[in-house]
Amino acid sequence: EAGVAQSPRYKIIEKRQSVAFWCNPISGHATLYWYQQILGQGPKLLIQFQNNGVVDDSQLPKDRFSAERLKGVDSTLKIQPAKLEDSAVYLCASSLVVNNSPLHFGNGTRLTVT
Amino acid sequence: KNQVEQSPQSLIILEGKNCTLQCNYTVSPFSNLRWYKQDTGRGPVSLTIMTFSENTKSNGRYTATLDADTKQSSLHITASQLSDSASYICVVSAGTNNNAGNMLTFGGGTRLMVKP
Repeated sequence: EAGVAQSPRYKIIEKRQSVAFWCNPISGHATLYWYQQILGQGPKLLIQFQNNGVVDDSQLPKDRFSAERLKGVDSTLKIQPAKLEDSAVYLCASSLVVNNSPLHFGNGTRLTVT
Repeated sequence: KNQVEQSPQSLIILEGKNCTLQCNYTVSPFSNLRWYKQDTGRGPVSLTIMTFSENTKSNGRYTATLDADTKQSSLHITASQLSDSASYICVVSAGTNNNAGNMLTFGGGTRLMVKP
């Protein structure tokens, strides 16, 4: 099966600029997640969707981050305006809506904010 | 507060040797525990998932154990290979509903380097 697709792989922007990341989950996976992974740390959940509805966005900095999954398939994550501390890898993952179902991760987008 | 602590933070071993990574958790109510392998520049890949009733699960040269009483898990790697060099992340799922993501607590990972 095709894996989780993410683009771009790398992005370098200046602080206060905006950036968007795209994710296409595995076909049939209703649940989609965006994680932020700072170098040397484990991933931190930003937002979780089930189909096109938000399940959890409690850790999403909503003053600058936004995400959508309009048709319940692919998703975009946007940062506007970016700060230096947003430099991280942004991982998208998807899973079936079944307990104990593993998460399938994309290879992430490495964002550098200068 | 749900927490997952992994040790050691980093580890260097020689090719062919065995090693064991540790994971301690305080997550309630416990649903399952997962080990992921993350190669540099890639997303994590699932190795094992264990529920409360399982105390060991293998995936090739990887064997995970779970002691739900002491809230500890270990990942044992046998006959290490250069390709085992990666970060290994312990993830614990809490709750009894089907929303796996918002109840997942990630450890900080153990960075393993296997040298020839």
